[in-house]
Amino acid sequence: GAVVSQHPSWVICKSGTSVKIECRSLDFQATTMFWYRQFPKQSLMLMATSNEGSKATYEQGVEKDKFLINHASLTLSTLTVTSAHPEDSSFYICSASRGPGELFFGEGSRLTVL
Amino acid sequence: AQSVTQPDIHITVSEGASLELRCNYSYGATPYLFWYVQSPGQGLQLLLKYFSGDTLVQGIKGFEAEFKRSQSSFNLRKPSVHWSDAAEYFCAAFKAAGNKLTFGGGTRVLVKP
Repeated sequence: GAVVSQHPSWVICKSGTSVKIECRSLDFQATTMFWYRQFPKQSLMLMATSNEGSKATYEQGVEKDKFLINHASLTLSTLTVTSAHPEDSSFYICSASRGPGELFFGEGSRLTVL
Repeated sequence: AQSVTQPDIHITVSEGASLELRCNYSYGATPYLFWYVQSPGQGLQLLLKYFSGDTLVQGIKGFEAEFKRSQSSFNLRKPSVHWSDAAEYFCAAFKAAGNKLTFGGGTRVLVKP
């Protein structure tokens, strides 16, 4: 199956710093990538849809200036958590679309903000 | 509003026993349906999906799911669970356009020896 890689898999940072998480489709081109957030023992909540070469589409309630998404190429999307605070601590998961109904998920990135 | 519901938050089953996880959806038309499994601290692995056709879908790891339009359900089953099946299971759906998945709340499966 197709492979989607996320990096880093875990990160600890100080409050007020920014953290960048990368999502790469390793063996296919993904015109669309998705970013999800998952709180402990909860489901995945879609944060935004990232389209290559255009601005991301954010879900209601997601702060665009807090969670910056860039999809600069067909194999890479990045999520930057700006001025991170403890409440931003979470598990962030990306998925990449290879076509209709073909979605592949990354391994997730655990962010802990101290 | 479009939604996916998993009525059971957690299920405990004995190893070797059968397992059924429930999933109901609320969409204007039949969406594409998926079941994913997530081990602790890891990403999601696709077990199976339904787009159209045969309503009984076979997946990986011995799982199957049955789509029932009349009940708006897509329940996941496994005849005999293994200890390695302990995980969180998510049902998900999206409409034809957009690939935008909506997830159910998840069902945590515990397997007793």
